Amino acid sequence: GAGVSQSPRYKVAKRGQDVALRCDPISGHVSLFWYQQALGQGPEFLTYFQNEAQLDKSGLPSDRFFAERPEGSVSTLKIQRTQQEDSAVYLCASSLISGTALITEAFFGQGTRLTVV
Amino acid sequence: DAKTTQPNSMESNEEEPVHLPCNHSTISGTDYIHWYRQLPSQGPEYVIHGLTSNVNNRMASLAIAEDRKSSTLILHRATLRDAAVYYCIRASQNEKLTFGTGTRLTIIP
Repeated sequence: GAGVSQSPRYKVAKRGQDVALRCDPISGHVSLFWYQQALGQGPEFLTYFQNEAQLDKSGLPSDRFFAERPEGSVSTLKIQRTQQEDSAVYLCASSLISGTALITEAFFGQGTRLTVV
Repeated sequence: DAKTTQPNSMESNEEEPVHLPCNHSTISGTDYIHWYRQLPSQGPEYVIHGLTSNVNNRMASLAIAEDRKSSTLILHRATLRDAAVYYCIRASQNEKLTFGTGTRLTIIP
């Protein structure tokens, strides 16, 4: 497909379980972003990659959250020892140009809905 | 800090124009204004962006005030498919897109 693909679409995890969320950006896109969206709220920034380099991880809420993009394409967001407050939709976005999508559009995936029980 | 102010919700009749306002009174000279929208159960979708001049594309128009402290997203002829949450975002150089809570637009058939 031509768009940003995220998997799984839905994930139910027991509290304390580790989860891994996958993002396939649009081919050739340099920038990749992860966002967290709680119910009824706007997306909140988590982290940003330029190719394989993680240039900004200021939004990661705790050291239980870890993201990687080892070959500059597919990215994985890992959450260790999940807590109920981690329940949210996790959105991935990519854009063609490096930087913050300032001068071009960012393309978002449909997100992964994580429910921690 | 979303740095923009939008009404929580708006309603519009189908097939009529919609004007979605946004205030960004502390905007600096190099900040862009971006609009995204989010349909139910979807990720945000780019709508339009601009710096100083009014902008048009196939989806919408963006009217930016002369002092740049406010802007208006214009949907020329609303359809039911335009029902979504619309986010106005002020983007500074080297800053990520910071979303607020947006305006929930309801289209009345």
